[in-house]
Amino acid sequence: EAGVAQSPRYKIIEKRQSVAFWCNPISGHATLYWYQQILGQGPKLLIQFQNNGVVDDSQLPKDRFSAERLKGVDSTLKIQPAKLEDSAVYLCASSLDRGGTDTQYFGPGTRLTVL
Amino acid sequence: GQQVMQIPQYQHVQEGEDFTTYCNSSTTLSNIQWYKQRPGGHPVFLIQLVKSGEVKKQKRLTFQFGEAKKNSSLHITATQTTDVGTYFCAGYPGNQFYFGTGTSLTVIP
Repeated sequence: EAGVAQSPRYKIIEKRQSVAFWCNPISGHATLYWYQQILGQGPKLLIQFQNNGVVDDSQLPKDRFSAERLKGVDSTLKIQPAKLEDSAVYLCASSLDRGGTDTQYFGPGTRLTVL
Repeated sequence: GQQVMQIPQYQHVQEGEDFTTYCNSSTTLSNIQWYKQRPGGHPVFLIQLVKSGEVKKQKRLTFQFGEAKKNSSLHITATQTTDVGTYFCAGYPGNQFYFGTGTSLTVIP
């Protein structure tokens, strides 16, 4: 079975620019997660979708970050405008159902550098 | 503040020595998951514990969930160089899913 796909793998932008990341979860997985992992820290959940609805976005900086999962399959995460402190790896994960009881499968991540 | 703490933050061991990381939550967890992240890689699921006092083993790895469901531990017996990486616990100390702060394991051959 194919794993979680993410693109791009790497992105370098200047502060105040915009950037978008794409994630395609494992086929049939209802729940999709976006995490931010700053170097040396654990992943921080930004947003969790179940199908195309938002379950939790309490830690998403909504003034600059947005995410959508329109058809309940793939998802995009956008940052506009980017700040230096947004430099991190953005991880996408998916699980069959609600993550509290299900294994999360992670994609390879997108490493963002903001200059 | 951080909801799920892990100690130690770093651990260097000689190959063949044992290793333990401890995970502590400020509130009761419905369940706890453990992940391993190799350097430059992404988190990979290891195991999930659900019941109070539960103990599970995977070869040289032993996972334990505390009686109060607020803490957990991962013990590796006779470490190998393939055990290198950061070990994270994760769960719901409330309504939000949190990863712990992680323990980075270095194994010296």
